[in-house]
Amino acid sequence: QVQLVESGGGVVQPGGSLRLSCAASGFTFTGHGMHWVRQAPGKGLEWVAFIRSDGSGKYYADSVKGRFTISRDNSKNTLDLQMNSLRAEDTALYYCCRDYEWAFDIWGQGTLVTVSS
Amino acid sequence: QSALTQPPSASGSPGQSVTISCTGTSSDVGGYNYVSWYQQHPGKAPKFMIYEVSKRPSGVPDRFSGSKSGNTASLTVSGLQADDEADYYCNSYAGSDNWVFGGGTKLTVL
Repeated sequence: QVQLVESGGGVVQPGGSLRLSCAASGFTFTGHGMHWVRQAPGKGLEWVAFIRSDGSGKYYADSVKGRFTISRDNSKNTLDLQMNSLRAEDTALYYCCRDYEWAFDIWGQGTLVTVSS
Repeated sequence: QSALTQPPSASGSPGQSVTISCTGTSSDVGGYNYVSWYQQHPGKAPKFMIYEVSKRPSGVPDRFSGSKSGNTASLTVSGLQADDEADYYCNSYAGSDNWVFGGGTKLTVL
């Protein structure tokens, strides 16, 4: 079935780096743009980043621009998020999402990132 | 990239209808017909409920409907059921490959 499975979350110190991954299955990965969306504990959803289906365009929320990098490997059906210069306010559950008609139709279960000393 | 404005809470009795608003600007909600809505139960991932303002994905009951007027989008839940109790988030495309979410509305079924 259509599935997205995130991994790579953990505890990291402020200023540190972490790389999240998302494994896609059950659909034609190359046919869809992909997003990362995050949710801080007890808070709402925040769009983080988007990458076009062929990887030709990458776009970011102002809050992460210059620190986070989204990428994809269409040969492996994987989506990544490289997070550098992490701050306490980056603490959140990070979801990988499939784009469908400028919306988010498939969501993973999320991977938790905690930035703390 | 300011968040869209949603009421923090909404409520209704079983069988009633409730409408949740989502207010943005002419740069997001008012500028594009790419408003979507998501339902999130505690401890679960969000669920895709409405896209392109008023379209329902396969499997979403027709009790859920969406609309838009100017810079404000709305989600209406008719025939409220206990399982409709959840957090609801709106989202809009904001141009230049950017998206923005609302702050969320907690729907309580009384």
